[in-house]
Amino acid sequence: ETGVTQTPRHLVMGMTNKKSLKCEQHLGHNAMYWYKQSAKKPLELMFVYNFKEQTENNSVPSRFSPECPNSSHLFLHLHTLQPEDSALYLCASSQGRQNTEAFFGQGTRLTVV
Amino acid sequence: AQSVTQLGSHVSVSEGALVLLRCNYSSSVPPYLFWYVQYPNQGLQLLLKYTSAATLVKGINGFEAEFKKSETSFHLTKPSAHMSDAAEYFCAVSDRPSGGYQKVTFGIGTKLQVIP
Repeated sequence: ETGVTQTPRHLVMGMTNKKSLKCEQHLGHNAMYWYKQSAKKPLELMFVYNFKEQTENNSVPSRFSPECPNSSHLFLHLHTLQPEDSALYLCASSQGRQNTEAFFGQGTRLTVV
Repeated sequence: AQSVTQLGSHVSVSEGALVLLRCNYSSSVPPYLFWYVQYPNQGLQLLLKYTSAATLVKGINGFEAEFKKSETSFHLTKPSAHMSDAAEYFCAVSDRPSGGYQKVTFGIGTKLQVIP
């Protein structure tokens, strides 16, 4: 069982659809993150949750709505997306101590048509 | 504010040749530095990290990196490239954990091609 699991792996949605991405971590970490990876751009940090509380929102459009019901689960609710939102969405988790790194899931490849 | 610059978005090496991927960072505080690798359609996997202990850091798959404060660099090297090393490599910098989480800034990535 991998440490950080994301579902689905691939998603195609229309601009008027509503869908959700799911992330689950089995590492006992307290912090969870959503990143967006687009071609030829650095990874963009979207949201950070620490002990279920949102601590970072990097000016992400409201059509992306995160939810963190507990420290092990993180969702990204999507609605009325644009074609430029097509990207690889990566979830990560980390332990809030020194000398730790983020562990990433395999990502969800999102295509908005 | 912290930032990372990776020189060269694409690097090609012959199988068995030295791999050198360059990374320079900017940080107002002593940084944590990371190298991650990403294979096609996969997430990021940690290769190695620097957290203010030894300046020469050894990672998985024969990779290593040296922290040079005077040059603000953290270049990734491997003495002999293998075909399986073909992937995209990301350098990253973060501040010390504050409030229980880290804010990591990633470079744009370097795609490594290994030629048989």
